[in-house]
Amino acid sequence: QLQLQESGPGLVEPSETLSITCTVSGGSISIGTSYWVWIRQPPGMGLEWIGTSYYSGDPYYNPSLKSRVTISVDTSKSQFSLNLSTVTAADTAVYFCASLTASGTIDHWGQGTLVTVSS
Amino acid sequence: QSVLTQPPSVSAAPGQKVTISCSGSSSNIGSNYVCWYQQLPGTAPKLLIYENNKRPSGIPDRFSGSKSGTSATLGITGLQTGDEADYYCGSWDSSLSARLFGGGTKLTVL
Repeated sequence: QLQLQESGPGLVEPSETLSITCTVSGGSISIGTSYWVWIRQPPGMGLEWIGTSYYSGDPYYNPSLKSRVTISVDTSKSQFSLNLSTVTAADTAVYFCASLTASGTIDHWGQGTLVTVSS
Repeated sequence: QSVLTQPPSVSAAPGQKVTISCSGSSSNIGSNYVCWYQQLPGTAPKLLIYENNKRPSGIPDRFSGSKSGTSATLGITGLQTGDEADYYCGSWDSSLSARLFGGGTKLTVL
């Protein structure tokens, strides 16, 4: 059973870069049938897709966040990472990492990590 | 305002049936698969329905999904208090090149 676990800073100052890592276990991050996704959920609000990456090839991002987002995959560590630059209070959210199938199904989710943007 | 539109809340009594709608357009629901997710308070979302109407192993057949045109529906029968949660639909939008979620529907089992 695939398991995903986020690790992040908890608190980030405004204008800084938010960095979170997701560790994948119970399966290979290089498996050709899975993509790797970041999703966030502001407190009390709904889900927002941030971006998707494959173990090889270019990631693709939510157009509304594209200028600030970078997703990368490190197959040697079985991890994928999210960097979100120039954060503001509006970026305060629980950030989830997840796996995505080719049919567009988000089938496994991490437990989520709360990141607060505040000075 | 989400591109995929869900009712903010629905409610029903234990043992009853409820449906949750998800309305989209030709570029998302109309031409791509729909998934449904259940989010219990304080937890990560969980996959309930994928590819419009398929249930992952371990999901009881009380949960069902359907799609017609640019709308999708989640049905839950034999409601239990443990079904109280937020439910989200999701689909890919080919025009926006973005993965979308509905705004979420809070289910209350009275």
